[in-house]
Amino acid sequence: IAGITQAPTSQILAAGRRMTLRCTQDMRHNAMYWYRQDLGLGLRLIHYSNTAGTTGKGEVPDGYSVSRANTDDFPLTLASAVPSQTSVYFCASSEGLAGNNEQFFGPGTRLTVL
Amino acid sequence: GQNIDQPTEMTATEGAIVQINCTYQTSGFNGLFWYQQHAGEAPTFLSYNVLDGLEEKGRFSSFLSRSKGYSYLLLKELQMKDSASYLCAVRDNDYKLSFGAGTTVTVRA
Repeated sequence: IAGITQAPTSQILAAGRRMTLRCTQDMRHNAMYWYRQDLGLGLRLIHYSNTAGTTGKGEVPDGYSVSRANTDDFPLTLASAVPSQTSVYFCASSEGLAGNNEQFFGPGTRLTVL
Repeated sequence: GQNIDQPTEMTATEGAIVQINCTYQTSGFNGLFWYQQHAGEAPTFLSYNVLDGLEEKGRFSSFLSRSKGYSYLLLKELQMKDSASYLCAVRDNDYKLSFGAGTTVTVRA
């Protein structure tokens, strides 16, 4: 059972380049999320999707876009990367939204924008 | 929005008890979660509280007081493997999680 996977594990990117971070889950979870984690700031929600075909903005959406064409995949795209987007990016999923539905996190992608 | 505060660091001795406090000010409340995160790894779920009171799971317990905007995570019989960051997260009425910055716990022999 893979759970939730992310690719790449790490990436160094030149500023201005386009980059897509991939996220796939095999748990048939309805909801998926993208967070960034920066030292001293904790995890901050970028975008989320409550179900396939729908997406929403989180706390820090600017400079990022997402799509949810199917249940399993939730890619995050940086259209034109900037150094302030250097961070560790975590994808997460949950079976539902309410109750004790915990979020399961992927292993993360460490992105450096130079 | 949500404002979630927890101490930055705590140190304790193996076998001891540590209590990590979390206070929050929210525009809505729909549950509080605690996660554990070892260095370089993904967060993993520890506990969930939505009603006032104590939830116990083995060596870990979590407490919630909604009227005080307060929770704590209690770690008993500390082991070296408990050295990690502990993240407090509050879910709002739109079902989105807001996380505190995390408390790094160091367990010493």
